[in-house]
Amino acid sequence: EAGVAQSPRYKIIEKRQSVAFWCNPISGHATLYWYQQILGQGPKLLIQFQNNGVVDDSQLPKDRFSAERLKGVDSTLKIQPAKLEDSAVYLCASSLDREFYNEQFFGPGTRLTVL
Amino acid sequence: AQSVTQPDIHITVSEGASLELRCNYSYGATPYLFWYVQSPGQGLQLLLKYFSGDTLVQGIKGFEAEFKRSQSSFNLRKPSVHWSDAAEYFCAVGEGASSNTGKLIFGQGTTLQVKP
Repeated sequence: EAGVAQSPRYKIIEKRQSVAFWCNPISGHATLYWYQQILGQGPKLLIQFQNNGVVDDSQLPKDRFSAERLKGVDSTLKIQPAKLEDSAVYLCASSLDREFYNEQFFGPGTRLTVL
Repeated sequence: AQSVTQPDIHITVSEGASLELRCNYSYGATPYLFWYVQSPGQGLQLLLKYFSGDTLVQGIKGFEAEFKRSQSSFNLRKPSVHWSDAAEYFCAVGEGASSNTGKLIFGQGTTLQVKP
């Protein structure tokens, strides 16, 4: 079974530029998560999708971050414009559904450096 | 609000020695608790989880954890550490537990270094 795929793996941009990350979840998984992991900290949930609808985006900085999940499969996370404090690893995860009994599977992440 | 604290930022153990990583949580009811491992350049992998029942849970790779309600703790243990166990370990609590939000709240992680 293929895992969660993410691209790119690394990205370096200057502040005020825009950037987009892509995630392809495990086939059949209804729930998709985007986490931000700042160096030295645990992952923090940014946004959660159930199929193609947003369930929780309470911690997403909506003035600069946006995300969508086209047709309830792939997802993109965009930052525009980027700030220095956005430097982090962005992790995508998916699960069969939202119940905690269903394991969340994580992708390898995209490491973003904002200069 | 729910929270998770991992008191040890960095731990070094010798290969073959026993390991215990500490995790304390804050939640009024019975929590849903998880331990994840993250190897360099890899995503997080679930080691084990606790929802209810037996307070000692077994996981993959020889790990186990014990839920102690009186101490609000869920410490991870392994009797004999292997060099391949060097990684970062995260404790997490499921927000709202049985309400099944799917939202995990992570601790700040503990980096494990294994000496030969």
